[in-house]
Amino acid sequence: DTGVSQDPRHKITKRGQNVTFRCDPISEHNRLYWYRQTLGQGPEFLTYFQNEAQLEKSRLLSDRFSAERPKGSFSTLEIQRTEQGDSAMYLCASSLEGRSLGEQYFGPGTRLTVT
Amino acid sequence: AQSVTQLGSHVSVSEGALVLLRCNYSSSVPPYLFWYVQYPNQGLQLLLKYTSAATLVKGINGFEAEFKKSETSFHLTKPSAHMSDAAEYFCAVSASGAAGNKLTFGGGTRVLVKP
Repeated sequence: DTGVSQDPRHKITKRGQNVTFRCDPISEHNRLYWYRQTLGQGPEFLTYFQNEAQLEKSRLLSDRFSAERPKGSFSTLEIQRTEQGDSAMYLCASSLEGRSLGEQYFGPGTRLTVT
Repeated sequence: AQSVTQLGSHVSVSEGALVLLRCNYSSSVPPYLFWYVQYPNQGLQLLLKYTSAATLVKGINGFEAEFKKSETSFHLTKPSAHMSDAAEYFCAVSASGAAGNKLTFGGGTRVLVKP
């Protein structure tokens, strides 16, 4: 068990550019979650997958955001035409359905800065 | 729908003193409750969780929390603070039985430990 990993850890981009983040969950976990955390706030739910199916999306996830989890393994979160308001820490978490009553294991996060 | 309120965005304690972090929740269904800790530039680590078993829950690093349904509270305590407890702490709720078990977080409480 190597834990949840995220790549990159930091990303600086100019407004209007596209960015993509990757999350590798704990290998046997079938659920994967994305959260966004802005400075001084708690994480906010964005979306989650069960296996390869995206089952819920928050209203925070505008049309510029898209997430995928091909083959139910790693996941990517893409932000198109980035805006300064997208600057935040993007956290990924994974869990195993039916085990530990929903306990989620978090990765170290990707910190995005939009200039 | 669920929500979490953490009273006090900052708490300062002396090393060896009691740590008390307050969390009140709102949930339309029986909740699962969690406390997470976040060290600078890191992801979230689970301290403890309440999932309708014992109301007094013991976690890692000497922390414990008590679920009080009548007060809709889940306060976190540690009898004696250590310098390594300096971090940000988040209370979170999810709805028991809900698909996905997405977490709703409070705004966090930053703990400063004075020598």
